[in-house]
Amino acid sequence: NAGVMQNPRHLVRRRGQEARLRCSPMKGHSHVYWYRQLPEEGLKFMVYLQKENIIDESGMPKERFSAEFPKEGPSILRIQQVVRGDSAAYFCASSLSGTSGGISTDTQYFGPGTRLTVL
Amino acid sequence: AQKITQTQPGMFVQEKEAVTLDCTYDTSDQSYGLFWYKQPSSGEMIFLIYQGSYDEQNATEGRYSLNFQKARKSANLVISASQLGDSAMYFCAMSYSSASKIIFGSGTRLSIRP
Repeated sequence: NAGVMQNPRHLVRRRGQEARLRCSPMKGHSHVYWYRQLPEEGLKFMVYLQKENIIDESGMPKERFSAEFPKEGPSILRIQQVVRGDSAAYFCASSLSGTSGGISTDTQYFGPGTRLTVL
Repeated sequence: AQKITQTQPGMFVQEKEAVTLDCTYDTSDQSYGLFWYKQPSSGEMIFLIYQGSYDEQNATEGRYSLNFQKARKSANLVISASQLGDSAMYFCAMSYSSASKIIFGSGTRLSIRP
């Protein structure tokens, strides 16, 4: 059973370019989460999606960032007009259940991450 | 407000010794889950162990156990018989019923000495 897959693993962009990060959840999981990790910090929640729906985007910057999880295909995190401050590791996670708190099926399994470097 | 606190930025432990990584949490929700993840130098996030707020027994997974003290709002990770491969960053995290996201602590960098 394949785990969460993310690609690319490393992505280099120049300022002003677009970055597209892809995430395929674990088989049977329909809940996808994106997190960002700056160097030497913990992960910060960005967005939670189910198929074709954004459930919670409270951690997404208001501009330049967007996410989708289409009916077919992987979830995409898109960053337009990247700036140096966007350089970070971006992790995707998936879970069987999206209900939070006290339920083992909440467990989020993480992909290997995409390391974005903006030059 | 929901919060996870890890007060140990770094720890050094001798191989084969047991180690306890501290984690305290704050939430007003009655239903929540507590997690520990390991992040080795290669960067991936590896799920280690889960504890639900209503679980009466402390969770165990192999050499990992979670010392859950609900009244003190602590969820310490205990690694028995540490190995060199345990050297990594360890993150405590929490999910809570009023949201679907996980919040993370700042992490503890564990280094195992041979």
